[in-house]
Amino acid sequence: GEDVEQSLFLSVREGDSSVINCTYTDSSSTYLYWYKQEPGAGLQLLTYIFSNMDMKQDQRLTVLLNKKDKHLSLRIADTQTGDSAIYFCAEIGGGSYIPTFGRGTSLIVHP
Amino acid sequence: DAGITQSPRHKVTETGTPVTLRCHQTENHRYMYWYRQDPGHGLRLIHYSYGVKDTDKGEVSDGYSVSRSKTEDFLLTLESATSSQTSVYFCAISERERGNIQYFGAGTRLSVL
Repeated sequence: GEDVEQSLFLSVREGDSSVINCTYTDSSSTYLYWYKQEPGAGLQLLTYIFSNMDMKQDQRLTVLLNKKDKHLSLRIADTQTGDSAIYFCAEIGGGSYIPTFGRGTSLIVHP
Repeated sequence: DAGITQSPRHKVTETGTPVTLRCHQTENHRYMYWYRQDPGHGLRLIHYSYGVKDTDKGEVSDGYSVSRSKTEDFLLTLESATSSQTSVYFCAISERERGNIQYFGAGTRLSVL
């Protein structure tokens, strides 16, 4: 089956930028997503990008998609302690409605 | 949580007992899903539904069954709970016309002793 890979941990200092990376194998991906999970809660959609786009910006969030390399990244500018959470990358391939999730990256923000 | 309610939120049960978890949505979304989340494994799909009475297995369906008799309710049953089913269970909903975005419930923490 298709696979989505993420690094497990990222530690940054408050005020710095964070970059969370994701690679995927599905060459027919149509949508790619970033979800955020805070402690004790379910996942919430942060942002998503269509596969025919290469960048999307939303306030402090920038998503970059390199379709050739099957690489997705999420940049959080001016990272705050409230950004500490687990971030999941996910993708859906053509014709499907069931996403494939990565295992999640724990972002730890130090004061 | 986008009109999704999971119940109970916490449950402790004994090995061998049946357990039913409920997911209720008020969004009228067609697709519903049950996941489990365990350290080191991320999210794993147990079962999903693509309509009333239409369900299918996910990657970790052994020991679980589901039912969907109404659009708004999706039940997950552990037929005879085992300690390996101790986990956090999440329900999600989605609709194709909305970019297939999944909306998640707050989760049910299940401990099987």
